[in-house]
Amino acid sequence: SQTIHQWPATLVQPVGSPLSLECTVEGTSNPNLYWYRQAAGRGLQLLFYSVGIGQISSEVPQNLSASRPQDRQFILSSKKLLLSDSGFYLCAWMGVHEQFFGPGTRLTVL
Amino acid sequence: GENVEQHPSTLSVQEGDSAVIKCTYSDSASNYFPWYKQELGKRPQLIIDIRSNVGEKKDQRIAVTLNKTAKHFSLHITETQPEDSAVYFCASTGFQKLVFGTGTRLLVSP
Repeated sequence: SQTIHQWPATLVQPVGSPLSLECTVEGTSNPNLYWYRQAAGRGLQLLFYSVGIGQISSEVPQNLSASRPQDRQFILSSKKLLLSDSGFYLCAWMGVHEQFFGPGTRLTVL
Repeated sequence: GENVEQHPSTLSVQEGDSAVIKCTYSDSASNYFPWYKQELGKRPQLIIDIRSNVGEKKDQRIAVTLNKTAKHFSLHITETQPEDSAVYFCASTGFQKLVFGTGTRLLVSP
């Protein structure tokens, strides 16, 4: 069966510091992968998605970037965090239709 | 692009009552409609889905109906229980991704 991992689970970072969040998927090959952000009490904002190694589609222009160096690895990065980057970051993978979310990373930018 | 509208944004019911959440979509090519439940601080979990060749699907106390002509679909929860309290998201298929509604906060009071 497929599993999706994210780390770290929680993160507190100062404004202006860099960010790297990692997501890995097991039990499937060539999955579509997604990064979402959820501000407190809000909906799911799609940030990036990838349909293959090195292929990244950006949904929202901002100070974040994504990379997919391996088939089952998806990384979200920032060079300088903003206060507005605080939120719950969710990675997801999609099968034929169904989409499954990872456990998430709760990021607080101070 | 594809758009999904979800109503209501909040819904309060008494335990044992029924709850209905409605979504409309814009892309007539959409063919898959999942519903997710997100408990506080956790990841969204897929609870039920329906494909465009089916009009209704049930799973114990939850059901989903789809009206392709009107381009809307609904989640029905019967005999609600306090543990049904959560945020519910609908979604429909877009190009290489799911498009999510803005969420409905359901509160079930004992």
